[in-house]
Amino acid sequence: DAKTTQPPSMDCAEGRAANLPCNHSTISGNEYVYWYRQIHSQGPQYIIHGLKNNETNEMASLIITEDRKSSTLILPHATLRDTAVYYCIVRSQGGSEKLVFGKGTKLTVNP
Amino acid sequence: KAGVTQTPRYLIKTRGQQVTLSCSPISGHRSVSWYQQTPGQGLQFLFEYFSETQRNKGNFPGRFSGRQFSNSRSEMNVSTLELGDSALYLCASSLEEGGREYFGPGTRLTVL
Repeated sequence: DAKTTQPPSMDCAEGRAANLPCNHSTISGNEYVYWYRQIHSQGPQYIIHGLKNNETNEMASLIITEDRKSSTLILPHATLRDTAVYYCIVRSQGGSEKLVFGKGTKLTVNP
Repeated sequence: KAGVTQTPRYLIKTRGQQVTLSCSPISGHRSVSWYQQTPGQGLQFLFEYFSETQRNKGNFPGRFSGRQFSNSRSEMNVSTLELGDSALYLCASSLEEGGREYFGPGTRLTVL
């Protein structure tokens, strides 16, 4: 079972920031938070991951709360091409633990 | 660097047949995982291979099998196809076991 809870859907206006929340209240100390997205019928695309510090890359920012029980993925300037299902996943790094995908959040960016 | 490639991209089979899907990982990646995606069950892990050895297996019947070759390419096989096997089959590769995974475009299998 997925260890995360996400809202099923969200809307965002083009050009605005999209903030996607994720709850992972049972996360353990060695587990990372990963974000992937899947544009319709394509393979999932890695976005970002982090352990406890906030992370930023060319695609997005990841804000993890101090208690690590929740996080927010931020797309700073959403475009229509960001419309996708966004998955928040927790897993330990290394070893053979598989990715467990929940239902994700369907983000729709509107013009 | 080329991404993960999967062949074929689309496939139509009938019940009772078997099918083999192929995955070529990113050059240098040694771990390959397979996932099944259906509208009802979402994305589910099938199995992971690393250095030609199956490291992890999801909760799927024995009709689903796979293997990895010495060049890290992988195949998965589904025997005695059922209607419920219709799905998007995704392959993902990573540099090392448990590392960040890069997904291919998937193979869309339709069982009639």
